Amino acid sequence: AQSVTQLDSHVSVSEGTPVLLRCNYSSSYSPSLFWYVQHPNKGLQLLLKYTSAATLVKGINGFEAEFKKSETSFHLTKPSAHMSDAAEYFCVVGPQGYSTLTFGKGTMLLVSP
Amino acid sequence: DTGVSQDPRHKITKRGQNVTFRCDPISEHNRLYWYRQTLGQGPEFLTYFQNEAQLEKSRLLSDRFSAERPKGSFSTLEIQRTEQGDSAMYLCASSLASGGRSNYGYTFGSGTRLTVV
Repeated sequence: AQSVTQLDSHVSVSEGTPVLLRCNYSSSYSPSLFWYVQHPNKGLQLLLKYTSAATLVKGINGFEAEFKKSETSFHLTKPSAHMSDAAEYFCVVGPQGYSTLTFGKGTMLLVSP
Repeated sequence: DTGVSQDPRHKITKRGQNVTFRCDPISEHNRLYWYRQTLGQGPEFLTYFQNEAQLEKSRLLSDRFSAERPKGSFSTLEIQRTEQGDSAMYLCASSLASGGRSNYGYTFGSGTRLTVV
């Protein structure tokens, strides 16, 4: 069994300040972990993925995430928010080598000027 | 090939009617997935195909739902006797798998938004 908890339903930041979106996971297997972003009326886009290689994963648009097994966490960070980062972000878990993914409920990131 | 295409983008139907959605995956991808996303929730897995074989179905997929991928290319998802609770965004994704393992390169389509009135 696997599950994902996104600890914040909404996060508000000012442009140019750091972003932290928190995610905890539970998995009976060695997990693969992902962050996806969904802009309004757009499809889900993969930001980054962890599949048992380096624990610090760099993704697109300056985002990165660190896999911490002891804390069962996979938080998403970005040093400086941009207005275009405003979107909904999903933390996702899937057993390695398997197909189906389990999504968290999402965190809406709001970026103010 | 520009990605995963879903048709229609929006569908409004009356309760009790049948609806069918279509998904065209990336041509070289052998796996195709259907997910459902309701308001305020993350996408939930419904079913997936490898080539034309339907390998897994979620318990969310009631007997009113049926999915096909007859030639291992496009897929259809049909909902019979729609109910208001079926209102959701239906997402399709595809990936390339080999040796029984997916490379996790999911590409999602933009989805079909269903509204049952």
